[in-house]
Amino acid sequence: TQLLEQSPQFLSIQEGENLTVYCNSSSVFSSLQWYRQEPGEGPVLLVTVVTGGEVKKLKRLTFQFGDARKDSSLHITAAQPGDTGLYLCAGDSGYALNFGKGTSLLVTP
Amino acid sequence: DVKVTQSSRYLVKRTGEKVFLECVQDMDHENMFWYRQDPGLGLRLIYFSYDVKMKEKGDIPEGYSVSREKKERFSLILESASTNQTSMYLCASSSHPRGRYGYTFGSGTRLTVV
Repeated sequence: TQLLEQSPQFLSIQEGENLTVYCNSSSVFSSLQWYRQEPGEGPVLLVTVVTGGEVKKLKRLTFQFGDARKDSSLHITAAQPGDTGLYLCAGDSGYALNFGKGTSLLVTP
Repeated sequence: DVKVTQSSRYLVKRTGEKVFLECVQDMDHENMFWYRQDPGLGLRLIYFSYDVKMKEKGDIPEGYSVSREKKERFSLILESASTNQTSMYLCASSSHPRGRYGYTFGSGTRLTVV
């Protein structure tokens, strides 16, 4: 199983701050995905990145795929309480998606 | 609005019971997956199916089986529930067999085995 390591594990910030979370692996992925999961719900797909060096923006969220396609980052600008949740990265394991353990983000007003 | 529907949000079962978790999708996807999610362990793949009548073991299949008699329905079966199967169970479907374009997840079933 190709491991995806996410950091930090937990993050608690105040509204308006910026943050970056990371997803790293020793394996090369054909694509990586980011999901957000709210308590008691299933994960929801935010973005898929497929090309090394690719940058995608979703409102205040910026996703980057590493040049070597082994890592990815998620940057949130001016975080809001609605951004609170568990952020998961996922990559193709060869037969299904393999998920990192996630970064739990808490944004307080 | 496309959906993956899991039949129960919360279940409490006794040790030794046979438990059925149902999952239905309305997106005409061929590919369906069952994961369990536990604190500190993340999401782990139990079983998956690329087509009707087809099933494959994932990373942690022990103690589980599945059924896929219709394209839209993928059921997870706990043959004899044990306390270590207390977990959040997530069903997902995908248009690509390896999820290249993303999964759509259900809302999950929180199972407690007592």
